[in-house]
Amino acid sequence: AQSVTQLGSHVSVSEGALVLLRCNYSSSVPPYLFWYVQYPNQGLQLLLKYTSAATLVKGINGFEAEFKKSETSFHLTKPSAHMSDAAEYFCAVRANAGNNRKLIWGLGTSLAVNP
Amino acid sequence: NAGVTQTPKFRVLKTGQSMTLLCAQDMNHEYMYWYRQDPGMGLRLIHYSVGEGTTAKGEVPDGYNVSRLKKQNFLLGLESAAPSQTSVYFCASTPPGTRDGYTFGSGTRLTVV
Repeated sequence: AQSVTQLGSHVSVSEGALVLLRCNYSSSVPPYLFWYVQYPNQGLQLLLKYTSAATLVKGINGFEAEFKKSETSFHLTKPSAHMSDAAEYFCAVRANAGNNRKLIWGLGTSLAVNP
Repeated sequence: NAGVTQTPKFRVLKTGQSMTLLCAQDMNHEYMYWYRQDPGMGLRLIHYSVGEGTTAKGEVPDGYNVSRLKKQNFLLGLESAAPSQTSVYFCASTPPGTRDGYTFGSGTRLTVV
């Protein structure tokens, strides 16, 4: 069965520092992978997605993620954190069983950005 | 283009009361989903629909019912609310293309007292 593991439920960085949010997945076939961001009291918004094209994917707000098949990872990075990046981040993998387009979700990582 | 609209945004229910949450999307998406979000538990799928007139159970369907009479609307019902159903509920939709992500609504915050 597919699964997603986000290492670290809480990550704290200083403004201007590198952001690294970790996501590992398990999948028996090439996966589709997604990162979503949730700002306080809002719904989830798609940050970026990997769909078997380029392994380095660029998203909105300066975020990017690299698909590494050998490590079964899809870590999210941003070179320089901004206060506005404080949010909850979710990694997800498309379930490849059945015709239902279901996503398998990680539990999320809360990112705090300190001034 | 409104995307996915959820109503109401907030609601307080007494135990045993019933209510319906409405999700409406204007993107002609085939697939729609209802999730609940609780602290430390991420997103859990309640029910989903792969097209008009179809529904299916997700991970945590007990105590909820759904209907998809029109393609653009997906209703989530609580027949007899319980305090354990206090949560934030999100609706999402996606088109048939397998490469597409979900579009989420802004959520309904439900408190059952």
